[in-house]
Amino acid sequence: QVQLVESGGGLVKPGGSLRLSCAGSGFTFSASYLSWIRQAAGEGPECLSYISDSGDYIYYADSVKGRFTISRDNTKSSLFLQMNNLRAEDTAVYFCARVTVAGSANWFDPWGQGTLVTVSS
Amino acid sequence: QSVLTQPPSVSGAPGQRVTIPCTGSSSNIGAGYDVHWYQQLPGTAPKLLIYGNINRPSRVPARFSGSKSGTSASLAITGLQVEDEAQYYCQSYDSSLSGEVFGGGTKLTVL
Repeated sequence: QVQLVESGGGLVKPGGSLRLSCAGSGFTFSASYLSWIRQAAGEGPECLSYISDSGDYIYYADSVKGRFTISRDNTKSSLFLQMNNLRAEDTAVYFCARVTVAGSANWFDPWGQGTLVTVSS
Repeated sequence: QSVLTQPPSVSGAPGQRVTIPCTGSSSNIGAGYDVHWYQQLPGTAPKLLIYGNINRPSRVPARFSGSKSGTSASLAITGLQVEDEAQYYCQSYDSSLSGEVFGGGTKLTVL
């Protein structure tokens, strides 16, 4: 079955960096758009970034533009999120999700189980 | 403050019908962008429930249905079951933000 598994979360100090990974299986990874979505406690999800199948199209939300970098390695069916200059407000569970590109509003399915990132001194 | 507005909570008795509204604006739902819905059970990741306003993935029971009109969309659940207790989120695209946006979520309680 289609599966996405995140790793790399943890506790980091403000201003620090962290790299998240997401391993995909059960689908044609190299033909799929993929995304990173986060959810702070008690809030709705927030789409942070997504990357095209070949990596030549990338979207970033304004909240992370210039600080976070999405990338992928299709040879290893892996998606990454490099997070720099982390702030307390970046504390959240981070999910990777496959993107279905539609003519009107992309959707996300499935999602991984998530990895918790805590930014605190 | 989410771009898409949902009531914090709704409730219903087993077997009843409930609806969850999602209100947007002229830069998202009102501009004609599709609405999708997700169900998040406690401690788990969101799962796609409705896509393209009205379409259900094959694994989703027909008790769940979606609709859209003007600047709003709605999720309806008929024949409520205890296992439907969850958070429900709507999602669309916003042209002002140039990206996908989510609602703040609605907690469904089955009394």
